[in-house]
Amino acid sequence: RKEVEQDPGPFNVPEGATVAFNCTYSNSASQSFFWYRQDCRKEPKLLMSVYSSGNEDGRFTAQLNRASQYISLLIRDSKLSDSATYLCVVNLGGYNKLIFGAGTRLAVHP
Amino acid sequence: SQTIHQWPATLVQPVGSPLSLECTVEGTSNPNLYWYRQAAGRGLQLLFYSVGIGQISSEVPQNLSASRPQDRQFILSSKKLLLSDSGFYLCAWSVQSARGELFFGEGSRLTVL
Repeated sequence: RKEVEQDPGPFNVPEGATVAFNCTYSNSASQSFFWYRQDCRKEPKLLMSVYSSGNEDGRFTAQLNRASQYISLLIRDSKLSDSATYLCVVNLGGYNKLIFGAGTRLAVHP
Repeated sequence: SQTIHQWPATLVQPVGSPLSLECTVEGTSNPNLYWYRQAAGRGLQLLFYSVGIGQISSEVPQNLSASRPQDRQFILSSKKLLLSDSGFYLCAWSVQSARGELFFGEGSRLTVL
């Protein structure tokens, strides 16, 4: 079983749509959680951290369910510029060792 | 501000040839340093990480090695490349106390023929 699992997509949505991505992780000792964004052939960049109480950053909302070992990302009012691959990331602690999911690809069309 | 440089950006190498990828970080001291590899259509795989000069931890068995000769320099090497070594190699750094933000270099795209 992969340590971090995501639906690879692609999710093809029109501008203005709301889209949700899910992610599950296998290690119950995981300490912190993140969503990264990766544009085509570019390096990943941090999108947002994920907190137990849920957190929001503009059009983006992240949720964590520790009991189910499940993380989600909701994007409201999708923009063309949101087209990218979204990586679910888990920190196992120790030396800041991040484990990346394979990513979910989002394509927003006019 | 902190910056991370990685080179070369692109390289095509024959099977059996050596490899050296270099990464340097500026604007910070004593960072954690990481090498990741991303194969086509797959997620990032952690290869090595380092918490200090000369301290290297390997995550997966392979024909690659890493070295950290200076505080802000991280080198990925191979004596003989395999076809399976093709991929997108990413160097990253973090502050030692960080909860998880990694800052990535722009990557090195390696094709082994």
